[in-house]
Amino acid sequence: ELKVEQNPLFLSMQEGKNYTIYCNYSTTSDRLYWYRQDPGKSLESLFVLLSNGAVKQEGRLMASLDTKARLSTLHITAAVHDLSATYFCAVVMGLGGSQGNLIFGKGTKLSVKP
Amino acid sequence: DTEVTQTPKHLVMGMTNKKSLKCEQHMGHRAMYWYKQKAKKPPELMFVYSYEKLSINESVPSRFSPECPNSSLLNLHLHALQPEDSALYLCASSQWVRGVAGANVLTFGAGSRLTVL
Repeated sequence: ELKVEQNPLFLSMQEGKNYTIYCNYSTTSDRLYWYRQDPGKSLESLFVLLSNGAVKQEGRLMASLDTKARLSTLHITAAVHDLSATYFCAVVMGLGGSQGNLIFGKGTKLSVKP
Repeated sequence: DTEVTQTPKHLVMGMTNKKSLKCEQHMGHRAMYWYKQKAKKPPELMFVYSYEKLSINESVPSRFSPECPNSSLLNLHLHALQPEDSALYLCASSQWVRGVAGANVLTFGAGSRLTVL
């Protein structure tokens, strides 16, 4: 059974500070996704990581993947209030295989304060 | 068109009612999904359709009945629901590329918020 664990689950940050969200998963996978969800809204795709060592950056967010350690990180640089949201990582079980068994972590609720 | 459209946005129903949730996309995606999300919880997969055929059913109770009438539409028929079924129901779509480590990013709709009284 694939388990996806995120930490921390809650993160209160000061504006301008840096922090990292961690996502561990329990079985082999070659694709990991990061999504953002604002309160009462749907999920917005942020990053897709497909290979070991993959690194992607968009604005103040940078995501990386270590498939050997089964670990992905989402690094936040110089946080701003607009980044306040819940961030989910999600993993598809298996290697390049069946579609759809996207298993989500519990989410990290990020609150950026002035 | 790069959107997944879900209707209705809000639905309140009694336990004896029959209602349906609808989902539509025109991105040419051949995989469509239903997820259920309870408050402050992650989305949980319910059903996956690929090429209009049900490929995954995550042991969902029969009071939820999915239907994929064509490649652009996905319905979720609801009957005799319980109050604990109240949740945000998310539809998503993606390309379907089996056996290839492609992106296949899921695009989610805005969701239908269901309240069962």
